[in-house]
Amino acid sequence: AQSVTQPDIHITVSEGASLELRCNYSYGATPYLFWYVQSPGQGLQLLLKYFSGDTLVQGIKGFEAEFKRSQSSFNLRKPSVHWSDAAEYFCAVGGRTGTASKLTFGTGTRLQVTL
Amino acid sequence: EAGVAQSPRYKIIEKRQSVAFWCNPISGHATLYWYQQILGQGPKLLIQFQNNGVVDDSQLPKDRFSAERLKGVDSTLKIQPAKLEDSAVYLCASSLGPAATDTQYFGPGTRLTVL
Repeated sequence: AQSVTQPDIHITVSEGASLELRCNYSYGATPYLFWYVQSPGQGLQLLLKYFSGDTLVQGIKGFEAEFKRSQSSFNLRKPSVHWSDAAEYFCAVGGRTGTASKLTFGTGTRLQVTL
Repeated sequence: EAGVAQSPRYKIIEKRQSVAFWCNPISGHATLYWYQQILGQGPKLLIQFQNNGVVDDSQLPKDRFSAERLKGVDSTLKIQPAKLEDSAVYLCASSLGPAATDTQYFGPGTRLTVL
C-alpha cells in the first residue's frame, strides 16, 4: 500500500530565510509525487509534481522539490520565504496503474512565517 | 476558467441528522472526487467518479454515506445519519481524466460540524 510521511507537523521560519519541508513515501514502484498547498479557507492548490525525468522539479511561487529514490524522499524547498507562504503543505503520492488517480496524502506541515 | 464550486461552505447539524453537499466541477472534467479531511490529517479519498460511473468507493462508509453524479457533471454527497466523527472538511476535486498524470483541482470545501 502506498503511504506518505511528513515528519514535521509545524515549522516556523523567518521571512527571507530558506525553507525545506520533508516528505518520505512508500510505494512499490516509481511513484508519482505531488506537493499541494492549502491556505486557510481555501482548497488545495498544486505546487509541483514529479512523474519521471529530471529529479529536480520546479513549481509555482518559487518552490522546487527533489526526488531522491535512494531515500524515498521528495522534499520541498524555497530559497527565500515570503509572509504569504504561511499555509499548510501536503505531500501526496499517486499510483501508476489500477488506482492510478488515487492520491494518498501525508498529514501535512503547517508553515508559520515570522516577520 | 471557473474553478471547482462547492456549497454550502459551512454546515452545522446535530448527530443523527442528514446533510448533503454539492459540487460543480470544472467544465469538461470527466473525473470527479470526494475527499474527507479530518482536522490534523490529510485528505482521504471517499469516492471517485468517471463521468457518471463510480470508479472507486472502497473507502466510502456505505452504511451512511452516498454519492451520485447524475449526467456526469454535478455531484452530491450525502450523509444519513451523521455521527460526531463525521465532523470534517469535505473536498471535491475534478480532473480531465482518471490518470495520475491528470492534475486534480480542488474546490474550497464544505466544513461540517456535527454536534
